[in-house]
Amino acid sequence: GQNIDQPTEMTATEGAIVQINCTYQTSGFNGLFWYQQHAGEAPTFLSYNVLDGLEEKGRFSSFLSRSKGYSYLLLKELQMKDSASYLCAVRPPNSGYALNFGKGTSLLVTP
Amino acid sequence: GAVVSQHPSRVICKSGTSVKIECRSLDFQATTMFWYRQFPKKSLMLMATSNEGSKATYEQGVEKDKFLINHASLTLSTLTVTSAHPEDSSFYICSAGTSGTYNEQFFGPGTRLTVL
Repeated sequence: GQNIDQPTEMTATEGAIVQINCTYQTSGFNGLFWYQQHAGEAPTFLSYNVLDGLEEKGRFSSFLSRSKGYSYLLLKELQMKDSASYLCAVRPPNSGYALNFGKGTSLLVTP
Repeated sequence: GAVVSQHPSRVICKSGTSVKIECRSLDFQATTMFWYRQFPKKSLMLMATSNEGSKATYEQGVEKDKFLINHASLTLSTLTVTSAHPEDSSFYICSAGTSGTYNEQFFGPGTRLTVL
């Protein structure tokens, strides 16, 4: 099975940097996704990691360490619109498109 | 990117009635679609995996006779909540898998169901 943990809530200031951690304990691994979800809206894809290391996409970066079962999403130059829920999801092996989601981290960006 | 639509976006119904929610992939074909349920400030709970032309695979604890899923074409899956009760009130989201760089899921905008 899959056990995916994220902090429930985080607060950060506009313009700052915030790191959202995700740890997972799985019986197999075939990639890790981060999604952003604003309240009442669909989750949108942010990043994908399958190999160890850092993937950078503009203000957002995602890191993976498979040996530690650990990932983080780094958000730089925070903007008010970044207030949202951030979902960590792990793809099991041989699962097609299926994903196992963590409970999500609700990020509040304050002025 | 791939676009997934859901209809209706909001629905209010009386207890005991049935409600159908449609999920469409607009610009791609999806052999696999997923149905999730989401409670306020909670994460996505996978209800079932919908496969075109075959029976859906339900997650443990999800009643297949209550949540009927039909995936009759490569662009449409439907979820019917039968004999709805107030505890079925929730946000229902579908997603579709598509072959691409990451083979990620693309999500529909969700349907807010309120059962009175």
